[in-house]
Amino acid sequence: DQQVKQNSPSLSVQEGRISILNCDYTNSMFDYFLWYKKYPAEGPTFLISISSIKDKNEDGRFTVFLNKSAKHLSLHIVPSQPGDSAVYFCAARDSGSARQLTFGSGTQLTVLP
Amino acid sequence: DTEVTQTPKHLVMGMTNKKSLKCEQHMGHRAMYWYKQKAKKPPELMFVYSYEKLSINESVPSRFSPECPNSSLLNLHLHALQPEDSALYLCASSQVWGIGYNSPLHFGNGTRLTVT
Repeated sequence: DQQVKQNSPSLSVQEGRISILNCDYTNSMFDYFLWYKKYPAEGPTFLISISSIKDKNEDGRFTVFLNKSAKHLSLHIVPSQPGDSAVYFCAARDSGSARQLTFGSGTQLTVLP
Repeated sequence: DTEVTQTPKHLVMGMTNKKSLKCEQHMGHRAMYWYKQKAKKPPELMFVYSYEKLSINESVPSRFSPECPNSSLLNLHLHALQPEDSALYLCASSQVWGIGYNSPLHFGNGTRLTVT
């Protein structure tokens, strides 16, 4: 049973527009969430994170929103650039087992020039 | 450039071979991890070392044998693998064993393993 779900395997966006990547989770014990970006032939790179005590965290073009009641988080990229084309993984930490992450299955973002 | 270095980048081995994957980090991190990733799937945790001691073994078959010679190095010894073990093997490190604001996972670029 997948506790972290990224229901869109792929997303295409025009350069300069907003990219919105979504992630849903089922475990109410998750208290810390991370987004990783992965280019082909490279390992995942940490992008941005958010604690469950916040509902928004912003870093440059990247903003993560957390809706605890809906058990939903999203990553907004504004403006999108062709170099943002990659697979984006959502990951969550269980407060009862802070030493492990549960990853979603990833969303392939393609930013069209 | 990634701060976690993995070698080799690609490895092809037969089912009777013995090979090793190597990982190195010089960030002073005290926790190191092995993950396995199949195509279009999320990374799956295999092993965790904390302060050079094996802390987690996620029921990984004994044909995979991890080793942590020191705080900067992590090896994965492979023996008698099966074709279904073909995958991207990712090494990661974190400042301490415990994911948090000051301790996100840093991944290497992985070793693409093919078992024939």
